[in-house]
Amino acid sequence: NAGVTQTPKFRILKIGQSMTLQCAQDMNHNYMYWYRQDPGMGLKLIYYSVGAGITDKGEVPNGYNVSRSTTEDFPLRLELAAPSQTSVYFCASSGAGSPLHFGNGTRLTVT
Amino acid sequence: GQNIDQPTEMTATEGAIVQINCTYQTSGFNGLFWYQQHAGEAPTFLSYNVLDGLEEKGRFSSFLSRSKGYSYLLLKELQMKDSASYLCAQREGQNFVFGPGTRLSVLP
Repeated sequence: NAGVTQTPKFRILKIGQSMTLQCAQDMNHNYMYWYRQDPGMGLKLIYYSVGAGITDKGEVPNGYNVSRSTTEDFPLRLELAAPSQTSVYFCASSGAGSPLHFGNGTRLTVT
Repeated sequence: GQNIDQPTEMTATEGAIVQINCTYQTSGFNGLFWYQQHAGEAPTFLSYNVLDGLEEKGRFSSFLSRSKGYSYLLLKELQMKDSASYLCAQREGQNFVFGPGTRLSVLP
């Protein structure tokens, strides 16, 4: 059982470049989330989804976009990378009433 | 989002007991979760409270008082491997809002 799978694990981007962080879960969870975690800080919610075709903004959505075409996949898109987006990104999923299950994270550096 | 407070850092000795407190705003409450996060790794689920009282899971216990907006995580028989950050998270609706985390250092 793979749980939540994130790719890539590491990435370095130049300012202005774009990329997509991939996230997939095989637990048939309806709810999926993207968080970012800056060094020594807590997790901040970027976007979340309560089911296929439904997405909503979290606390820090600016500079990001998401889509949820299937229950399993929830990719996060950065269109014009900025140094402020240097962070560790965690994808997570949950079922109704259950805790969050996290992926292993993507470490992104924008220079 | 909700304002969740935790101490920034704590230090304890191997074999001891430590209590990590968490306060949250009571409106929209739908459950209180505790996660452990080792440096450079993803958070892992430890414990969950939705009703008042104590939930015990081996060396880890979590307590909740909904009327006071207060929870704590109790770690017994501390081991060196317990050195990590401990994250308190409140579920509001379908969202999980995290506190800043408490970095625990266990000393020999």
